[in-house]
Amino acid sequence: QLQLQESGPGLVKPSETLSLTCSVSGGSITTSSYYWGWLRQPPGKGLEWIGSAFYTGSTYYTPSLKSRITISVDTSRNQFSLSLSSVTAADTAVYYCARLPGELFTWFDPWGQGTLVTVPS
Amino acid sequence: EIVMTQSPATLSVSPGERATLSCRASQSVSINLAWYQQKPGQAPRLLIYGASTRAPGIPASFSGSGSGTQFTLTISSLQSEDFAVYHCQQYNDWPPTFGQGTKVEIK
Repeated sequence: QLQLQESGPGLVKPSETLSLTCSVSGGSITTSSYYWGWLRQPPGKGLEWIGSAFYTGSTYYTPSLKSRITISVDTSRNQFSLSLSSVTAADTAVYYCARLPGELFTWFDPWGQGTLVTVPS
Repeated sequence: EIVMTQSPATLSVSPGERATLSCRASQSVSINLAWYQQKPGQAPRLLIYGASTRAPGIPASFSGSGSGTQFTLTISSLQSEDFAVYHCQQYNDWPPTFGQGTKVEIK
């Protein structure tokens, strides 16, 4: 059974870079046709897709965050990572990683448990 | 981007009763719509994709319908484990977008 687990600091200072890692177990991150994604949910708000990546390095980012995001895949560790620069209090959210059964136009399944990242104002 | 609107925000239902949740898209998404269940402190779980196809392991008490801009998730007989927040997501257009969620609570 595929499982995903996010890890990273729970507190990031304003203007610094948020870095999270998603560890994948129960399956290979290099399985063809699957993309790997990051999403977030600010307190009291809906879910927001941040970006997705393929194990070859191909990436897609949401337009509103594109200038601040990098998603990378480490096939040797079966992990993928999110880097979000110049954070503000608006980036406070629970961050989730998930698998996408396709490239762009698809759903997300399964998801990691999520990790809360707080950026103090 | 496509805006997804869910209603109601909160739905109070008695155990054993039927729950009907709505999701509306600001423009047509064909049948490219998914539903997720999220319990407190847990990750969202995929229930439905393709507007009406249940994900593996999802009980038949969950059913999805609709196309275009109007979609419905029906829970035929609410069990205690079904009280949660439900999210809809469109994947017809890029970027994928979610609704704000409907909380199903015990009446």
